Amino acid sequence: GQQLNQSPQSMFIQEGEDVSMNCTSSSIFNTWLWYKQDPGEGPVLLIALYKAGELTSNGRLTAQFGITRKDSFLNISASIPSDVGIYFCAGQFVEGAQKLVFGQGTRLTINP
Amino acid sequence: DTAVSQTPKYLVTQMGNDKSIKCEQNLGHDTMYWYKQDSKKFLKIMFSYNNKELIINETVPNRFSPKSPDKAHLNLHINSLELGDSAVYFCASSPSAGGAGSFFGQGTRLTVV
Repeated sequence: GQQLNQSPQSMFIQEGEDVSMNCTSSSIFNTWLWYKQDPGEGPVLLIALYKAGELTSNGRLTAQFGITRKDSFLNISASIPSDVGIYFCAGQFVEGAQKLVFGQGTRLTINP
Repeated sequence: DTAVSQTPKYLVTQMGNDKSIKCEQNLGHDTMYWYKQDSKKFLKIMFSYNNKELIINETVPNRFSPKSPDKAHLNLHINSLELGDSAVYFCASSPSAGGAGSFFGQGTRLTVV
């Protein structure tokens, strides 16, 4: 089936460090989304990407829609304690599916 | 005002019982969804409704029956609950079918004992 591979699965960093995570697929996407989930809450949309090559920022977050339309990355600069959580990529495949497929998530832990 | 609200937030019930989870969105979106998040945090779509019409049913057991009385509401009824149904269930909505720009509710943690 159509799958997203998200990596890394977990990250342990020091406060102030930059973070990078990515998602890849063997299929072509027409939309990439990045979400963050805090404990006990639902996922919250961080950044939406709609065009190949698109680079979008939201504060300290930057995400790009890969040129091949099969990948996307999310960078977080100068991490702070409230960045802790699980980050999910999600995408809408080109072929027919009227739904989002989610990556496995990246659990971010920040050491003070 | 909460954009996507679902109730209850927690639900503990015995095997074999029937239970319902309710969801409402005040965003004026046309499409609503139910997702299941397992213990490994993997999020998988279960159902999608667009303007009250079912458009996605992802091979979910027919013990799960969604109902959309209007485009602002999507409820999930589960019959004969099993231990494996324990998970967090999320309701979501998006402006149109496909899921782009989806907003999620806070989730309902279902525990079947």
